[in-house]
Amino acid sequence: GAGVSQSPRYKVAKRGQDVALRCDPISGHVSLFWYQQALGQGPEFLTYFQNEAQLDKSGLPSDRFFAERPEGSVSTLKIQRTQQEDSAVYLCASSLNMRVRAGDNEQFFGPGTRLTVL
Amino acid sequence: AQSVTQPDIHITVSEGASLELRCNYSYGATPYLFWYVQSPGQGLQLLLKYFSGDTLVQGIKGFEAEFKRSQSSFNLRKPSVHWSDAAEYFCAVGLLTGANNLFFGTGTRLTVIP
Repeated sequence: GAGVSQSPRYKVAKRGQDVALRCDPISGHVSLFWYQQALGQGPEFLTYFQNEAQLDKSGLPSDRFFAERPEGSVSTLKIQRTQQEDSAVYLCASSLNMRVRAGDNEQFFGPGTRLTVL
Repeated sequence: AQSVTQPDIHITVSEGASLELRCNYSYGATPYLFWYVQSPGQGLQLLLKYFSGDTLVQGIKGFEAEFKRSQSSFNLRKPSVHWSDAAEYFCAVGLLTGANNLFFGTGTRLTVIP
């Protein structure tokens, strides 16, 4: 596709439900990032993949958050037993190369999934 | 502590007026610097970036930013604002070593009045 796509665009979950958020990166992009953007805040890093390898998950806020990218393309962010504090926009970004610093390598962002936990 | 600061939460300007959005960072070494724009329901779009060299950087949509090492600042400017510039603007940094992700400020919401 032309850009990074995410689905669903909106998700409403009852507290305690599990949710799965999907990211389709730009074809051929090696690196994939997940960010969480709370209301009125800037995006905050959750996790980073290089192909199928999850190289950094230091930003995941709890063990209820899990991300995977099994074939090195599509990624899924799963949140188990959702809590109200999980309500946020979840952004996915991809970039072409892997052996460069974040600054050398433009990250292209998807439109995000807005998660509301009731 | 490492941080990206955007001191202005909300700015209102008249269409045709000039604009300056402030960004300060606090990191051990000069990081890579970025400005992104986010329109409602849209993803973040890169406006411009600074890696090295000329401290005045030109971007898309008529935006420019100036890196000032002595002030640890990377302010975004536009000489004449258009109504379509109304959006949320984020300053971000990328580190030279360590993490590959971007670190964002809290954003500045721009309102443009006729």
